[in-house]
Amino acid sequence: GNSVTQMEGPVTLSEEAFLTINCTYTATGYPSLFWYVQYPGEGLQLLLKATKADDKGSNKGFEATYRKETTSFHLEKGSVQVSDSAVYFCALTYFGNEKLTFGTGTRLTIIP
Amino acid sequence: SAVISQKPSRDICQRGTSLTIQCQVDSQVTMMFWYRQQPGQSLTLIATANQGSEATYESGFVIDKFPISRPNLTFSTLTVSNMSPEDSSIYLCSVEAVQPPNYGYTFGSGTRLTVV
Repeated sequence: GNSVTQMEGPVTLSEEAFLTINCTYTATGYPSLFWYVQYPGEGLQLLLKATKADDKGSNKGFEATYRKETTSFHLEKGSVQVSDSAVYFCALTYFGNEKLTFGTGTRLTIIP
Repeated sequence: SAVISQKPSRDICQRGTSLTIQCQVDSQVTMMFWYRQQPGQSLTLIATANQGSEATYESGFVIDKFPISRPNLTFSTLTVSNMSPEDSSIYLCSVEAVQPPNYGYTFGSGTRLTVV
């Protein structure tokens, strides 16, 4: 079946540091890939997505590239801010399949 | 993309009671999804709710424990029945946005349930 494996947290970084959160997946064919963010006390928000190989999703300074050859969708940001502190979830689905498969989430804390 | 209003945002309930969570969408959607997020865990799909038919439950979830209603294309409820402390979780509803290029899923803000 489909699965998503995320880098274990928690991750603690200083403000302005470079961020990478690893995500790899197991699936057949070409799933769509997503990063969701959950700020403290809130629900999930879509951060970015990519629907085909080599696509790069980007939003709020975050980027992730759909790498079919390595089945990866790593999340990166060049300079993190305290406001980026949240839990980040990698997820996949197939268009028409409807169900999202989530990774376990990575808690990120940015310290000033 | 669709905007979802979910309520209540949080509740503290006694064991053995039931809680109904409501999810209202500002546009008509075919499918609505209910997820559970146990403390410190990822999200697990409970069931998929289609208008006019019974919900489809995932393995490990049953209708008697989590009855779902879907009376129209903009509304759904999830009831957590005969609650125990193990049901303490965040419950979220979600809908699919199918219009390119905004394909993806939108989530409600969640209901944080504590069972005592």
